[in-house]
Amino acid sequence: ETGVTQTPRHLVMGMTNKKSLKCEQHLGHNAMYWYKQSAKKPLELMFVYNFKEQTENNSVPSRFSPECPNSSHLFLHLHTLQPEDSALYLCASSQDRRATSTDTQYFGPGTRLTVL
Amino acid sequence: AQKVTQAQTEISVVEKEDVTLDCVYETRDTTYYLFWYKQPPSGELVFLIRRNSFDEQNEISGRYSWNFQKSTSSFNFTITASQVVDSAVYFCALKGYYGGSQGNLIFGKGTKLSVKP
Repeated sequence: ETGVTQTPRHLVMGMTNKKSLKCEQHLGHNAMYWYKQSAKKPLELMFVYNFKEQTENNSVPSRFSPECPNSSHLFLHLHTLQPEDSALYLCASSQDRRATSTDTQYFGPGTRLTVL
Repeated sequence: AQKVTQAQTEISVVEKEDVTLDCVYETRDTTYYLFWYKQPPSGELVFLIRRNSFDEQNEISGRYSWNFQKSTSSFNFTITASQVVDSAVYFCALKGYYGGSQGNLIFGKGTKLSVKP
């Protein structure tokens, strides 16, 4: 099943680097999400896009910058990260965030990020 | 507030044993949705089931079954005759709209299941 793909799968970066995470969905969905998964913490929703419009930003520091050029692609631009930002970053997509009764999120494999 | 509690942090069983993963939720919504996801070591969260609040019928899919009890706010997941490939972290999640949650998924902390041969 390759409905949602993420690249790279692993990334090591220094605190002064700039890098980007990429997510692509092949499910014909219109909503895309970024989550952060740290050790021993619940999954944290970071950003939500619905039909290319950002609908939610959960007080995420500005060193994380999302971009959604179309409904199939989602990026997370990283700049001047801190070691505590090391985590698994998961992308998800769903049909339409407004479709409350049927909307199910499907996840990608994640990018394991290590900040040195 | 919306909350999902998975009290079992880790469970270890021997292959072919049955195992039940507990999930208790809190919500003030009258309409809400419950989910189970599986996260194998590869990292991807795999969707297993979605259940809406007005459908309390239990569901069975192969070796998997789910027991939804509104009276106790529980949505438990049972794996029958467990296999090594079932080893993963399992997450229960709630989607509701009360208190500004805007239909976001509220995840429990997950239960790590280890199935030994």
